[in-house]
Amino acid sequence: KNEVEQSPQNLTAQEGEFITINCSYSVGISALHWLQQHPGGGIVSLFMLSSGKKKHGRLIATINIQEKHSSLHITASHPRDSAVYICAVEKTSYDKVIFGPGTSLSVIP
Amino acid sequence: EPEVTQTPSHQVTQMGQEVILRCVPISNHLYFYWYRQILGQKVEFLVSFYNNEISEKSEIFDDQFSVERPDGSNFTLKIRSTKLEDSAMYFCASRSTGSVQFFGPGTRLTVL
Repeated sequence: KNEVEQSPQNLTAQEGEFITINCSYSVGISALHWLQQHPGGGIVSLFMLSSGKKKHGRLIATINIQEKHSSLHITASHPRDSAVYICAVEKTSYDKVIFGPGTSLSVIP
Repeated sequence: EPEVTQTPSHQVTQMGQEVILRCVPISNHLYFYWYRQILGQKVEFLVSFYNNEISEKSEIFDDQFSVERPDGSNFTLKIRSTKLEDSAMYFCASRSTGSVQFFGPGTRLTVL
């Protein structure tokens, strides 16, 4: 069983829509990451969370440690948000990152 | 803004050849990682490196792979005798104490 699961696998949204991507994990963690991967392949770290909620621009990430669940929200989505969004976890500090399968988001004008 | 760089961006090689993928981590970072992503699959951990030695490696990281930090700035991944299944995107990452991992842009390795 994968240690990190994401839903949905694929998501198509109209520009301006509010988007939620979910992540669940089955192991104890020290931190959870949300990452973005564009079609060119490069990976960008969006957030690292160990509790609560973080906001950066139109992106909001939340985590519920007890439920082993995290969500990434995008408000007022835009076509430039189209990318693969990856949830990943660290079991211990400075540990490797264990990646989820990714959610492919396409925002249509 | 400091960034992790990787060279080359794309490497094409013949099966059985040795390749060296190069990474320049962010200068004050102490923890270094290699990951790979086979086309269409999720990113997988290969190896982590700290204090001039491997701190953890995955099952993928067999004797064909090695890592080195030869000069205090570069961090290299060597594949001694490439196989077709080594074709993938290879990502280097680095971090300092308490920070997120910063990923390089990746090297796309194609083994023919």
